[in-house]
Amino acid sequence: NAGVMQNPRHLVRRRGQEARLRCSPMKGHSHVYWYRQLPEEGLKFMVYLQKENIIDESGMPKERFSAEFPKEGPSILRIQQVVRGDSAAYFCASSPKSGMNTEAFFGQGTRLTVV
Amino acid sequence: LAKTTQPISMDSYEGQEVNITCSHNNIATNDYITWYQQFPSQGPRFIIQGYKTKVTNEVASLFIPADRKSSTLSLPRVSLSDTAVYYCLVGLYNQGGKLIFGQGTELSVKP
Repeated sequence: NAGVMQNPRHLVRRRGQEARLRCSPMKGHSHVYWYRQLPEEGLKFMVYLQKENIIDESGMPKERFSAEFPKEGPSILRIQQVVRGDSAAYFCASSPKSGMNTEAFFGQGTRLTVV
Repeated sequence: LAKTTQPISMDSYEGQEVNITCSHNNIATNDYITWYQQFPSQGPRFIIQGYKTKVTNEVASLFIPADRKSSTLSLPRVSLSDTAVYYCLVGLYNQGGKLIFGQGTELSVKP
């Protein structure tokens, strides 16, 4: 059973371009979470999705950021008109259910660099 | 939300036992305590989880006193490869399904 797969591992975008980050959860997992980690900082929750639904997006910036988890295919985190401050590592995690004793599995992350 | 407090950093030497304590004074009755490990340039990895008393697995032990206001992650005989950031989380999935990470403890193991 493959782990959480994120691609690309590294992404370079010029200011103003769009960044699209993909996350394939572990097989059988229907819950996906996105986190952002700035250099030398902790992980900040961004959004929690279940298949075709956004459950909690309280950590998402109000503009330029969006996320989806379609019925088929990977979860996508989209950043429009990127700025230098968007440079960070973006991690995706998945779990089979939402519950008190559920372990979340993280991917290797996508490192976004905005030049 | 149950807030956690951990030391920002710790130093140790190979072969020693390392204990990292996390304070969570306002832990709720239904909250679990979970620890994650993160190596540089990698995603966090689950280490151990517990509710009360003591939990042990092949990697670590977790000690939780009766009042559950703190917990201690114990790493036996650390090696250089245990150098990482260790996060204590409380209330796994009782906040609408999301994990809330604190600052973490940066453990440095020296030869």
